[in-house]
Amino acid sequence: SQQGEEDPQALSIQEGENATMNCSYKTSINNLQWYRQNSGRGLVHLILIRSNEREKHSGRLRVTLDTSKKSSSLLITASRAADTASYFCATESGGSNYKLTFGKGTLLTVNP
Amino acid sequence: KAGVTQTPRYLIKTRGQQVTLSCSPISGHRSVSWYQQTPGQGLQFLFEYFSETQRNKGNFPGRFSGRQFSNSRSEMNVSTLELGDSALYLCASSSGDHIAKNIQYFGAGTRLSVL
Repeated sequence: SQQGEEDPQALSIQEGENATMNCSYKTSINNLQWYRQNSGRGLVHLILIRSNEREKHSGRLRVTLDTSKKSSSLLITASRAADTASYFCATESGGSNYKLTFGKGTLLTVNP
Repeated sequence: KAGVTQTPRYLIKTRGQQVTLSCSPISGHRSVSWYQQTPGQGLQFLFEYFSETQRNKGNFPGRFSGRQFSNSRSEMNVSTLELGDSALYLCASSSGDHIAKNIQYFGAGTRLSVL
């Protein structure tokens, strides 16, 4: 079953614009991660935010986490055509559970 | 460091056959996870191995099985293939030591087509 649900399912923007993707989840978590996937290839880890953190930055990426609303957002600033990809949130929960549960992803298209 | 290597990259099988996929994790990583990705169901967790033991299992039928060797390399096997098994199978490795640092490093995947 899906733990995380990304919104929107698809997003199309122009180069230079910012892109915001949201993720909602159902149960309490240890951490939440964002991954990127280019056209049917493997996923690449972008950023991990722990349940006791509210915001995290990495380069042009900014992730927020609101555990009271069980939601997270990924902001990509000054987008580039190379950012075109699917973006997934993944949650890890439980004591000794090393399983990541992925959402269905947001397909981001950045037009040059 | 070399990344996660999955072989083969592409595979075509017919219904009823069985298939074995291979995954070599990043050197030093002891945890290997397998995922199935389809357009309809998205990314679904199959199982996770740590130090040759299956530590977690997803909701897949017994036709899906796996194992991990002492060098952390892992294989997954699907028996009696069905058309619905057509998917991209992704392997990911992690150090697996700390829950809060369970970053997964993915291979490029094996694209399985069942005819």
